[in-house]
Amino acid sequence: AQRVTQPEKLLSVFKGAPVELKCNYSYSGSPELFWYVQYSRQRLQLLLRHISRESIKGFTADLNKGETSFHLKKPFAQEEDSAMYYCALRANAGGTSYGKLTFGQGTILTVHP
Amino acid sequence: GEEVAQTPKHLVRGEGQKAKLYCAPIKGHSYVFWYQQVLKNEFKFLISFQNENVFDETGMPKERFSAKCLPNSPCSLEIQATKLEDSAVYFCASSQSFGSRGGTEAFFGQGTRLTVV
Repeated sequence: AQRVTQPEKLLSVFKGAPVELKCNYSYSGSPELFWYVQYSRQRLQLLLRHISRESIKGFTADLNKGETSFHLKKPFAQEEDSAMYYCALRANAGGTSYGKLTFGQGTILTVHP
Repeated sequence: GEEVAQTPKHLVRGEGQKAKLYCAPIKGHSYVFWYQQVLKNEFKFLISFQNENVFDETGMPKERFSAKCLPNSPCSLEIQATKLEDSAVYFCASSQSFGSRGGTEAFFGQGTRLTVV
């Protein structure tokens, strides 16, 4: 069974400080990892996926298979980054578990001015 | 449409009443997913469809919950005889397809907040 853990429910930083949102996963196969973000009163939207290896809004995330982690990082947080962040895993294999996302519990990031 | 549309936004039902939620996926998307989020906690997967066929229903409660995706109609999630514990936000998502490397992004609707009183 797959599982995603985000150990921090709440994370507060000041503007300009580095931020790291932690995500660990357990899955026996080769997963796809995602970060989704939900800004206030908006729908959940994709921020990053590990396959694309891109930086969005200054955020990056590297899949570390040895540590089974996919931490989200940004060197200089901005106030507009304040939101709920969800790490999610998608099984990357055939069968009926294919396609559905398994989410972590979410981390509320607050960036203070 | 360009966004996943869920209706209604809010739904209040008395215990024992039926609740029906709707989801219009993005045009051209073959896969539809339903998730349940209780008290802003984890998203719990319920069911997925590939076009009008059930793809994965491992998360669906055996009783009282049913779902459909019929051609030329919004998908629906129906709860018969609602219980207090069914109070949650129900999210629908759609995606285009899956490729050999996992497929494309899932786009989410705004959710339907169901309150059972």
